[in-house]
Amino acid sequence: ELKVEQNPLFLSMQEGKNYTIYCNYSTTSDRLYWYRQDPGKSLESLFVLLSNGAVKQEGRLMASLDTKARLSTLHITAAVHDLSATYFCAVLDSGAGSYQLTFGKGTKLSVIP
Amino acid sequence: SQTIHQWPATLVQPVGSPLSLECTVEGTSNPNLYWYRQAAGRGLQLLFYSVGIGQISSEVPQNLSASRPQDRQFILSSKKLLLSDSGFYLCAWSPTRNYGYTFGSGTRLTVV
Repeated sequence: ELKVEQNPLFLSMQEGKNYTIYCNYSTTSDRLYWYRQDPGKSLESLFVLLSNGAVKQEGRLMASLDTKARLSTLHITAAVHDLSATYFCAVLDSGAGSYQLTFGKGTKLSVIP
Repeated sequence: SQTIHQWPATLVQPVGSPLSLECTVEGTSNPNLYWYRQAAGRGLQLLFYSVGIGQISSEVPQNLSASRPQDRQFILSSKKLLLSDSGFYLCAWSPTRNYGYTFGSGTRLTVV
């Protein structure tokens, strides 16, 4: 059974600081997704990482994937208040032919002025 | 372009009442469809998924059921709601089995 662990689960950081959210998963997969959820809202797709060494950047967020280490990171550069949200990573589970996304528990990010 | 619609946006229902939530996808055919539930402050729980009309797989035993009467329509139902059914229900679709999901806007259900 695929397990996806995110850490930290809660993150409070000051504006202008840098930080990294980690996503570890337990079985082989070469597809990983990052989503953002604002309070009371649905999930919005941020990044799709499809191969080992993939790196994607959008504004102050950069995501990377290391399939050998079974690790993805979401790096936040010079945080601003607008980045406050919950961030989920999700890993494609192709075991038993199910091809489902397994989600981490989410990291709730609060950026403080 | 493809769009996903989910309704209603909010719902307050008494315990023991029935439930019907609807999700439709436009601009694609034969999508994979999913129902998730998110309890307050919690992660996502996969409830049902469907790879075709009439094909439903259940992930968690509960008093909910799902149906797919048409290619791009996915319905979540219950005959009698429980307090524990409260939560944020999200419908999602993907074009193939090995692709990421696009989520609907969600339905916030409160059972009172």
